[in-house]
Amino acid sequence: QVQLVESGGGVVQPGRSLRLSCAASGFTFSQYGINWVRQAPGKGLEWVALISHDGSNKYYANSVKGRFTISRDNSRNTLFVQMDSLRPEDTAVYYCARNSLGGAAFDIWGQGTLVSVSS
Amino acid sequence: SYVLTQPPSVSVAPGKTAVFSCGGDIISKTYVHWYQQKPGQAPILVVYDDSRRPSGIPERFSGSNSGNTATLTITSVEAGDEADYYCQVWDFSSDHRIFGGGSKLTVL
Repeated sequence: QVQLVESGGGVVQPGRSLRLSCAASGFTFSQYGINWVRQAPGKGLEWVALISHDGSNKYYANSVKGRFTISRDNSRNTLFVQMDSLRPEDTAVYYCARNSLGGAAFDIWGQGTLVSVSS
Repeated sequence: SYVLTQPPSVSVAPGKTAVFSCGGDIISKTYVHWYQQKPGQAPILVVYDDSRRPSGIPERFSGSNSGNTATLTITSVEAGDEADYYCQVWDFSSDHRIFGGGSKLTVL
């Protein structure tokens, strides 16, 4: 079935780095833009970044621009986000979410991976 | 950056109709999408492009967009509909995706 599975979360100290992955299955990964969305504990959803289907275009929320880098490997059906210079306010569950074909809705979501930034 | 405004909470008795609003200047110029998130779970898409329903979403869920306000309506509300509901748009001026703050549905 159509599925996204995140991995790579954990506890990290402020200022350090972490790389998350999102493995896709059940659909043609290379046809879809993919997003990262996060949710801080007890808070709402925050869009983080989007990469186009072929990786040629990348967009970032102002809160992470310059610190996070989104990328993808279409040969491995996998999405990544490299998170550098992490801050306590980056603590959240991170979801990958598929962009609907030809639209801007997030039609498939992963189950999320928790990132905790703490000393 | 652009802001979408949602009321923090909506309360309704079982069998009645729940109405969620999502306001913002950009609303009339773009499609609005709605997500349901139950505690401990990932969000799911319940309405996209203002009023379209993904397969598997009951007809009780509907959406509309007029003026500067989009609306999600759930008729014949059930206890299982208790969740947080978020609206979302594409801010085409920045290519950013924007979420509203979310509304918590309580079934009385």
